[in-house]
Amino acid sequence: GAVVSQHPSWVICKSGTSVKIECRSLDFQATTMFWYRQFPKQSLMLMATSNEGSKATYEQGVEKDKFLINHASLTLSTLTVTSAHPEDSSFYICSAPTGGSGELFFGEGSRLTVL
Amino acid sequence: GENVEQHPSTLSVQEGDSAVIKCTYSDSASNYFPWYKQELGKGPQLIIDIRSNVGEKKDQRIAVTLNKTAKHFSLHITETQPEDSAVYFCAAKNTGFQKLVFGTGTRLLVSP
Repeated sequence: GAVVSQHPSWVICKSGTSVKIECRSLDFQATTMFWYRQFPKQSLMLMATSNEGSKATYEQGVEKDKFLINHASLTLSTLTVTSAHPEDSSFYICSAPTGGSGELFFGEGSRLTVL
Repeated sequence: GENVEQHPSTLSVQEGDSAVIKCTYSDSASNYFPWYKQELGKGPQLIIDIRSNVGEKKDQRIAVTLNKTAKHFSLHITETQPEDSAVYFCAAKNTGFQKLVFGTGTRLLVSP
């Protein structure tokens, strides 16, 4: 299947700092990528849809100024958690659909811990 | 919008037994139904999917069935092995739309 790479796989930061997570589609181009958040023992919650060349679309209740998304190219989307607080600690996962079949492939996830 | 329910939330089986996980969806326009396996600390991995133009799809020990009339689909794992232990998520979407709606997940434990 298609490969989606996420970096870093884990990060620890101090409260008040910002953290950037990268999502890359390695063997295909993705005009759209999705960012999910997952709490322990829960399902995936869609946060936003990242669109190459335009603004991201955020789901209801997701603060766009807190979670900045930039889709810089057809293979790279970034999520920046700004002024992070302990309640932002979570597992963040990106995904990208392949153009033809529309199958959705996920990155390995990034675990954020805010102290 | 689409709503996907998944049962059971946990499933324990002995190695070699079969495991069945069931999902129901609400939007009759949904036509793509993937299943994902998520191991601890990792992202979900697509293991099999089915589209609404077929009723069943099989890949070695894994099979998925779809009943469009009843709006439910199921994952069947035969001859389970300890490495099948993970959380499994079903999902549904209309290929005309981008958003994938996930079920709540099933934690499968296969005991040796």
